[in-house]
Amino acid sequence: QKEVEQDPGPLSVPEGAIVSLNCTYSNSAFQYFMWYRQYSRKGPELLMYTYSSGNKEDGRFTAQVDKSSKYISLFIRDSQPSDSATYLCAMSPMEYGNKLVFGAGTILRVKS
Amino acid sequence: DVKVTQSSRYLVKRTGEKVFLECVQDMDHENMFWYRQDPGLGLRLIYFSYDVKMKEKGDIPEGYSVSREKKERFSLILESASTNQTSMYLCVTQGGDNEQFFGPGTRLTVL
Repeated sequence: QKEVEQDPGPLSVPEGAIVSLNCTYSNSAFQYFMWYRQYSRKGPELLMYTYSSGNKEDGRFTAQVDKSSKYISLFIRDSQPSDSATYLCAMSPMEYGNKLVFGAGTILRVKS
Repeated sequence: DVKVTQSSRYLVKRTGEKVFLECVQDMDHENMFWYRQDPGLGLRLIYFSYDVKMKEKGDIPEGYSVSREKKERFSLILESASTNQTSMYLCVTQGGDNEQFFGPGTRLTVL
């Protein structure tokens, strides 16, 4: 069993839809949670990070962490065609310098 | 803004060649990582470094080595390239609050 599970998709939605991207994990030591967005043929870019349970909002993006269920989500409101990309979740224990463990990434396609 | 640069965006090499992939960062970060990314397998850690001249093996170090002679530069070396090393290679640096910043990636093809 992988430490981090993420549905690879592809997930196809119409423009304006609310998108929900999810990851589950098995290691209860994970404390830092991040979401990266990767456009085709580019390196991933950090979208959001959080280190506590609950919600964190940034514009159209909301990151949600439920440590009791070992489940994290990224919500995208009013999705746009420019949001079409691969979204990777990543997580690590609290200690600085610890390597991240990544999900496989979910391909998102937003159709206009 | 953190800037992470990689020496090449696209590289084509032949089997058996020695390949150098270089990564440079300008944020004085101590921690640097090399990942490879393959379809269906996600990101896998090859090597990482917490300081100059320091290196540690990641999950898939076989066939690779690294060099960290200066803080800002972390090099990945393929001693004798093989076709199964065709992949996207990503260099990453880590800031003080555990954020990781990616370079643009090098797409390596080994023929």
